[in-house]
Amino acid sequence: KAGVTQTPRYLIKTRGQQVTLSCSPISGHRSVSWYQQTPGQGLQFLFEYFSETQRNKGNFPGRFSGRQFSNSRSEMNVSTLELGDSALYLCASRAGTGNTIYFGEGSWLTVV
Amino acid sequence: SQQGEEDPQALSIQEGENATMNCSYKTSINNLQWYRQNSGRGLVHLILIRSNEREKHSGRLRVTLDTSKKSSSLLITASRAADTASYFCATENTNAGKSTFGDGTTLTVKP
Repeated sequence: KAGVTQTPRYLIKTRGQQVTLSCSPISGHRSVSWYQQTPGQGLQFLFEYFSETQRNKGNFPGRFSGRQFSNSRSEMNVSTLELGDSALYLCASRAGTGNTIYFGEGSWLTVV
Repeated sequence: SQQGEEDPQALSIQEGENATMNCSYKTSINNLQWYRQNSGRGLVHLILIRSNEREKHSGRLRVTLDTSKKSSSLLITASRAADTASYFCATENTNAGKSTFGDGTTLTVKP
């Protein structure tokens, strides 16, 4: 069974641009969550989608958005990038509430 | 603020020694999960312990959960240099099913 797949793995963007990150969950998993990880900040929860509906949302500005498709694949978008958005963005999937969460390798975003 | 908080923030031990990390949380949980992260990589799941369980083992790992104290501990026995990584606990909130992570414990095992 393939794991959680995130693309791209690395990207560099300029301030003010926007970026879209993609995540393919483990087959059969309907819940996809996104986290931002910066050095010394731990993992900050962005949002969770379940069956195409946003179920939980973290404390991030509206520039951060996401969506989930009918095949459970998910994308997150960050608009008007700021230097502080440079981070490792992690996607995770699980079968549902109460189940193990599996992570992808992450997408490294650098904003210059 | 984060739901789970790991303690200590950093731990350095010699190969062969045991390593203990603690996690405290604030609200009622469905379960608590421990993860390992090697530098710059994704998180690898280690153990899930449910709120009605007190202890779980997996190889050299032992996890305990005390819901009355809202705390958990991860014990790695006979540590190896390859155990060098950051360790995170994640708690799933009973209210919304949302999982939140602490800031992690950085473990260094010296050969």
